[in-house]
Amino acid sequence: DAGITQSPRHKVTETGTPVTLRCHQTENHRYMYWYRQDPGHGLRLIHYSYGVKDTDKGEVSDGYSVSRSKTEDFLLTLESATSSQTSVYFCAIRDPGGSSYEQYFGPGTRLTVT
Amino acid sequence: ILNVEQSPQSLHVQEGDSTNFTCSFPSSNFYALHWYRWETAKSPEALFVMTLNGDEKKKGRISATLNTKEGYSYLYIKGSQPEDSATYLCAFLNSNSGYALNFGKGTSLLVTP
Repeated sequence: DAGITQSPRHKVTETGTPVTLRCHQTENHRYMYWYRQDPGHGLRLIHYSYGVKDTDKGEVSDGYSVSRSKTEDFLLTLESATSSQTSVYFCAIRDPGGSSYEQYFGPGTRLTVT
Repeated sequence: ILNVEQSPQSLHVQEGDSTNFTCSFPSSNFYALHWYRWETAKSPEALFVMTLNGDEKKKGRISATLNTKEGYSYLYIKGSQPEDSATYLCAFLNSNSGYALNFGKGTSLLVTP
């Protein structure tokens, strides 16, 4: 299994509070992604990173920011959580040297905003 | 946003039945098509990555085919077992977003004994 961990695994927070989710990898892969998964939707891309300090927006980036100060960590921040951000968040990594573009997923973080 | 469509949305079969799902995707600028198996409370598990038109891949009782010219892929499960119950996701590689994946909504399979 790819070495990807996410923390916390579960979190309940109140509307308006800041929340930071962490994705940590031990594979030294360059590309990292944050997706969210909601009923009736597939996994949707929030933000991605293609290297340290290099990030870009995905399909559903409003209300989220990210940071990547070192290769192994990719942080997702909800500056002021809203109920619409209740979701399961998955981090993924990809080795650009691989020919298959395969992505490996972390275990997920279940976030509930009350 | 690249639309990836999967059908059916859900499927309920008896143990031993064979089944198949469809994934349709944009046929232009194709890089790769991924299939994942996703069980509740777990992370998606890669089944296949398909890159060439006409690709056929197999893993045990599960196989997949790819037609990049017409933009579809089929996933087949032969002799379904209860442990095959899961959501099956297909995803199209998006070269415009750091090679992130554009996912379909999935096909939820339930296999009952």
